[in-house]
Amino acid sequence: SQQGEEDPQALSIQEGENATMNCSYKTSINNLQWYRQNSGRGLVHLILIRSNEREKHSGRLRVTLDTSKKSSSLLITASRAADTASYFCATDRDSGGGADGLTFGKGTHLIIQP
Amino acid sequence: NAGVTQTPKFQVLKTGQSMTLQCAQDMNHEYMSWYRQDPGMGLRLIHYSVGAGITDQGEVPNGYNVSRSTTEDFPLRLLSAAPSQTSVYFCASSYSPRTEQYFGPGTRLTVT
Repeated sequence: SQQGEEDPQALSIQEGENATMNCSYKTSINNLQWYRQNSGRGLVHLILIRSNEREKHSGRLRVTLDTSKKSSSLLITASRAADTASYFCATDRDSGGGADGLTFGKGTHLIIQP
Repeated sequence: NAGVTQTPKFQVLKTGQSMTLQCAQDMNHEYMSWYRQDPGMGLRLIHYSVGAGITDQGEVPNGYNVSRSTTEDFPLRLLSAAPSQTSVYFCASSYSPRTEQYFGPGTRLTVT
């Protein structure tokens, strides 16, 4: 079953604008990760935020985590055409040491218009 | 380092045929996993392994087998292909199931 759900499903913005996408999840987590997937390619890890962190930055990326609302957001500032891709959030399950990996959402498809 | 490699890139099977999707990594990762990606469904975990000789089922294991005889390789076997197994398959590896996953380029499988 899907743990994380991204919103919106699709987003189209002009180059240079900021892009924000959101992820909601259902159960307690140890960490939440964001991945990017360019068309026809594998997923690439962007950032990991732990459950005891509220905000994390990496270059033009800013991720926030609100465990009380079970939600996270990914902000891409000063977007570029190369940011056109699908973005997925992924959560582990705080299952007391369970080793069954990550659960991915359905993704947000981001299009940057030149 | 090649990272995570998958072969083949594309495959067409007829219903009932069997095949093995290959996955290899050269990062000495203990954890490896297989996902399938279907339109509008995100990625779903098929099988995973926490080390050589240890495998377990994920969310959608039916119709698939795995084995892990070495740290480097984690092949996925389709026993009797069905049209419902038409999908893109991704292999991933990492130091642990909860950390950054390194994905292969994927295998696009069509079952007719």
